[in-house]
Amino acid sequence: AQSVTQLGSHVSVSEGALVLLRCNYSSSVPPYLFWYVQYPNQGLQLLLKYTTGATLVKGINGFEAEFKKSETSFHLTKPSAHMSDAAEYFCAVSDGGTSYGKLTFGQGTILTVHP
Amino acid sequence: DTAVSQTPKYLVTQMGNDKSIKCEQNLGHDTMYWYKQDSKKFLKIMFSYNNKELIINETVPNRFSPKSPDKAHLNLHINSLELGDSAVYFCASSPIQGQGSTDTQYFGPGTRLTVL
Repeated sequence: AQSVTQLGSHVSVSEGALVLLRCNYSSSVPPYLFWYVQYPNQGLQLLLKYTTGATLVKGINGFEAEFKKSETSFHLTKPSAHMSDAAEYFCAVSDGGTSYGKLTFGQGTILTVHP
Repeated sequence: DTAVSQTPKYLVTQMGNDKSIKCEQNLGHDTMYWYKQDSKKFLKIMFSYNNKELIINETVPNRFSPKSPDKAHLNLHINSLELGDSAVYFCASSPIQGQGSTDTQYFGPGTRLTVL
């Protein structure tokens, strides 16, 4: 069984500040990890994903995440927040190797960006 | 040129009714999914179809019945609606061909179902 825990249901930052959204996972097999963003009244959009290879993954809109196996973490960062980053962010895990892409999601983190 | 579309966007109905939500994707993908997002924003997979064949069926009441007339469509029919069925339902699609795929899932805009 797999699970995802996102630490902090709400994160608030000032425009231009570092964004750090935390995600820890549990998986019995090598995981595939994803970050999705959901803007109000919209569907989810993929930000980035880790499958194999380089552990630092770059995504859209300046976001990146680092897979740390020893810490079972996949935290999402962005050096400088922009007002347009305000949204809800979901971390997800897939066991990839044995499923048809079944995603298990965390509970989401709402990011608020202050001027 | 919407990639994954769902209808209706909003659905308000009484307990005990039967309703359907439709999903269509024009991406040529082979796999489609239904997810439920509850009031606490927790997203959970319900079903997945690959080339019209059911491949994922989570622990979902049998009042929920997915139907895939072709690989571009995956509809969700719900019988005898209950208050607890109120949620946002998301359809998604992916080019996943089989096990071990890393393909991205593309989500529709969601259908907000309210059961009164």
